[in-house]
Amino acid sequence: GAVVSQHPSRVICKSGTSVKIECRSLDFQATTMFWYRQFPKKSLMLMATSNEGSKATYEQGVEKDKFLINHASLTLSTLTVTSAHPEDSSFYICSAAGTGGSAFFGQGTRLTVV
Amino acid sequence: DAKTTQPPSMDCAEGRAANLPCNHSTISGNEYVYWYRQIHSQGPQYIIHGLKNNETNEMASLIITEDRKSSTLILPHATLRDTAVYYCIVRVAPNQGGKLIFGQGTELSVKP
Repeated sequence: GAVVSQHPSRVICKSGTSVKIECRSLDFQATTMFWYRQFPKKSLMLMATSNEGSKATYEQGVEKDKFLINHASLTLSTLTVTSAHPEDSSFYICSAAGTGGSAFFGQGTRLTVV
Repeated sequence: DAKTTQPPSMDCAEGRAANLPCNHSTISGNEYVYWYRQIHSQGPQYIIHGLKNNETNEMASLIITEDRKSSTLILPHATLRDTAVYYCIVRVAPNQGGKLIFGQGTELSVKP
C-alpha cells in the first residue's frame, strides 16, 4: 500500500504550549486528508476532513480554533493543537486519500501534555 | 455514526482461516466496503475494499453478499501477527465527500 508518514511519533509538551503534527503522503498525491483522535481502548474518532487548498471541515464538537488544520499541498497536512491542556493528551492519527479512493494511515502521534 | 455492525471479539486458531463478518444493511449503491486493521498503538492498516464483486489480494479475501447488506473478510491462514482490531467501514469515494467513520470493530485474537 501507499506510504503515509506522520511526525513526530511521540511528543510531550507543557500545558499552554502549541504542538504541530505533520502528515505526509510519500508516494502519491493526497487530495483528501483525515485527522483522527483515539483514546485508550476506544475506536478512532474523526476530527476533521481537509481537501488540498481548502479549509478543513470539522466534525461536530471539534473546536476549529483549538485544532488548526492546514492542507497546503498535495503531500502535506498539519494539525496544530493550540494552547494544549492535559485533556488534549491522546493518540492522533492522520489518513491520506488520493483520487483512487483508498485511504492510508500514518503511524500516529502520541501527545502527552504535562 | 458508523453504518456497520461487527462482533466485538473473535478467536481463531493459528493456521486456520479467520472469517470476520460485517453487517451493513443500510449501505447505499455508491458506497464501498472497506476493511482496515489496527495493531496496538499503530495507525490502521488498509486491507481490502470492494463494491459489489468479491475481491482478493495478498492479505485477504472479501466476500460481499449479492444484496450487499453484509460481507465477510477472510484471512486464509491466520498467524499470531494477525491479532488486531479489524474495522469494516462503508463509504463513498473521497471525491464524493466520503469519510472514513470507524465503528468499534472486531478484536481478533489468533491463538497458538
